[in-house]
Amino acid sequence: EDKVVQSPLSLVVHEGDTVTLNCSYEVTNFRSLLWYKQEKKAPTFLFMLTSSGIEKKSGRLSSILDKKELFSILNITATQTGDSAVYLCVPRRFTDKLIFGTGTRLQVFP
Amino acid sequence: DTAVSQTPKYLVTQMGNDKSIKCEQNLGHDTMYWYKQDSKKFLKIMFSYNNKELIINETVPNRFSPKSPDKAHLNLHINSLELGDSAVYFCASSQDAAGGGQYFGPGTRLTVT
Repeated sequence: EDKVVQSPLSLVVHEGDTVTLNCSYEVTNFRSLLWYKQEKKAPTFLFMLTSSGIEKKSGRLSSILDKKELFSILNITATQTGDSAVYLCVPRRFTDKLIFGTGTRLQVFP
Repeated sequence: DTAVSQTPKYLVTQMGNDKSIKCEQNLGHDTMYWYKQDSKKFLKIMFSYNNKELIINETVPNRFSPKSPDKAHLNLHINSLELGDSAVYFCASSQDAAGGGQYFGPGTRLTVT
């Protein structure tokens, strides 16, 4: 059975802190892994990772995938209150099916 | 410019009614999806269309029927609405079925009374 485990489930930090969000997965016919930021309603696409060991960066956010250990992390440096959201790690199968977990809820306080 | 749009944003209706939710994307993507977000905030895929062809059809009641008149549109029709259908429904699109991240619409909150 497919499984996605994100940790921590919830995280509270102050502005300026650096956070690391973890994701482990067990998915059949794994193709790629997506990270989303979900605020209020619709998720916003952040990264797609298909190869191990290649870091993807976008501003203060970066992410990397380890296909051998079935693991991915999302780093956010110098956090801001606008980073407060639920972050979803979403493995994707070759059939295009996405496997969603509960996400990590990040709260950044000034 | 709205990339993925859904209408309506809110829909309140009574049990037994039939309703439709429309989705349009102007990204030129080939693949579109419908998701249901349950009360625990899980997103569950319902359907996926690639170039107007159904490619994913998860276990959902037959009362739910997607329709894709062209690759920029994927509508969701629901017959005989039930209380348990109350949820937020998200439409999404991606470049193709094999790659690219999915871009989501704003969601449609359906409330069945």
